[in-house]
Amino acid sequence: EAQVTQNPRYLITVTGKKLTVTCSQNMNHEYMSWYRQDPGLGLRQIYYSMNVEVTDKGDVPEGYKVSRKEKRNFPLILESPSPNQTSLYFCASSLRSQETQYFGPGTRLLVL
Amino acid sequence: AQSVTQPDIHITVSEGASLELRCNYSYGATPYLFWYVQSPGQGLQLLLKYFSGDTLVQGIKGFEAEFKRSQSSFNLRKPSVHWSDAAEYFCAVGVPSYDKVIFGPGTSLSVIP
Repeated sequence: EAQVTQNPRYLITVTGKKLTVTCSQNMNHEYMSWYRQDPGLGLRQIYYSMNVEVTDKGDVPEGYKVSRKEKRNFPLILESPSPNQTSLYFCASSLRSQETQYFGPGTRLLVL
Repeated sequence: AQSVTQPDIHITVSEGASLELRCNYSYGATPYLFWYVQSPGQGLQLLLKYFSGDTLVQGIKGFEAEFKRSQSSFNLRKPSVHWSDAAEYFCAVGVPSYDKVIFGPGTSLSVIP
């Protein structure tokens, strides 16, 4: 089944404790992206990747890192989480940047 | 700068009534246009998209949308709403020169039995 998976689905952590949210797709898509969803703000892009080893900042990259060592994986790293990073995070992939995006189920993060 | 607006934060309709969700964008050229739906606790799913050609596009679940270049709009419609349509709806604009898709703030739809 074609899908985007994210782990974990729910995460509670404390300020400053490094964490990684994994994202994997099995559709051989070139384009992958991370979004955060906050009430009233819709989805805001954090980082995106056009292909392996090619990543770029989205609209709200501060406090986040990503890597794209393999085509299927695109982890999101929070080196030192802060409470303002409490949010719902979505990973998405598409064949190319302007094609239909396929979304993962989301990761709900709470930073205390 | 490119932007997407969805003027209605929340809409409530009765089951069986018609629905129209508004979307306006700001972009110099004709963008790629999308509508996604997010059911409670789920990720986003594509309803329909417009790239070129016929300005009235059909999507899944009985939805359609019309691109109006003169109004910079891409409104979503459904003739008869079902209770299962209650969800959050996002309009999105693809900006080719920037390799990104910009999402609107979303419209939350409630359906009254």
